[in-house]
Amino acid sequence: NAGVTQTPKFQVLKTGQSMTLQCAQDMNHNSMYWYRQDPGMGLRLIYYSASEGTTDKGEVPNGYNVSRLNKREFSLRLESAAPSQTSVYFCASSETRGGRTDTQYFGPGTRLTVL
Amino acid sequence: GEDVEQSLFLSVREGDSSVINCTYTDSSSTYLYWYKQEPGAGLQLLTYIFSNMDMKQDQRLTVLLNKKDKHLSLRIADTQTGDSAIYFCAESIRSGGYQKVTFGIGTKLQVIP
Repeated sequence: NAGVTQTPKFQVLKTGQSMTLQCAQDMNHNSMYWYRQDPGMGLRLIYYSASEGTTDKGEVPNGYNVSRLNKREFSLRLESAAPSQTSVYFCASSETRGGRTDTQYFGPGTRLTVL
Repeated sequence: GEDVEQSLFLSVREGDSSVINCTYTDSSSTYLYWYKQEPGAGLQLLTYIFSNMDMKQDQRLTVLLNKKDKHLSLRIADTQTGDSAIYFCAESIRSGGYQKVTFGIGTKLQVIP
């Protein structure tokens, strides 16, 4: 199993450009998440999808949209990139069932720079 | 609200024990986690403890939980240079239809050979 995979690994955008970050998991997990990691701020949740067909806002959703394409894939879109969106983006997944640990498993991250 | 706090930096000599501390605020946490992040990589789950436990041991790792003080610690015995990384404490709370996880800002562990 590859676990959680993310593409691309690195990306440089100009202000105003758009792009989509891709995430896929092969663990048959129900829930998927997008976080951003900034120095001194830990990880902050952007959006999550508790199950296929549902998405909800997290702590910092402004400037982003998501699509839960199917159970495996959860994409994050920046419609008009801004320098404040320069960050490292992590996708994660977890199995959501009562009584289980719901441990989140992370992808390797996408390092995005917006000029 | 939820808040998880950790110190930013810890330096230890190879072979010594490392203790990384964390405090959290939400008493309804169900699980508490320790994740490790090596440079340029994602977060790797090290260990977790259920909120009704006070200790968990896993090889060189010992997790201690003091629910009264809302204090969590991670002890790494016989610390090696390969343990150099950033360690994140996180608490997990059931919120609606999903498990909300709040992360600390991470403690950078430097192991001196």
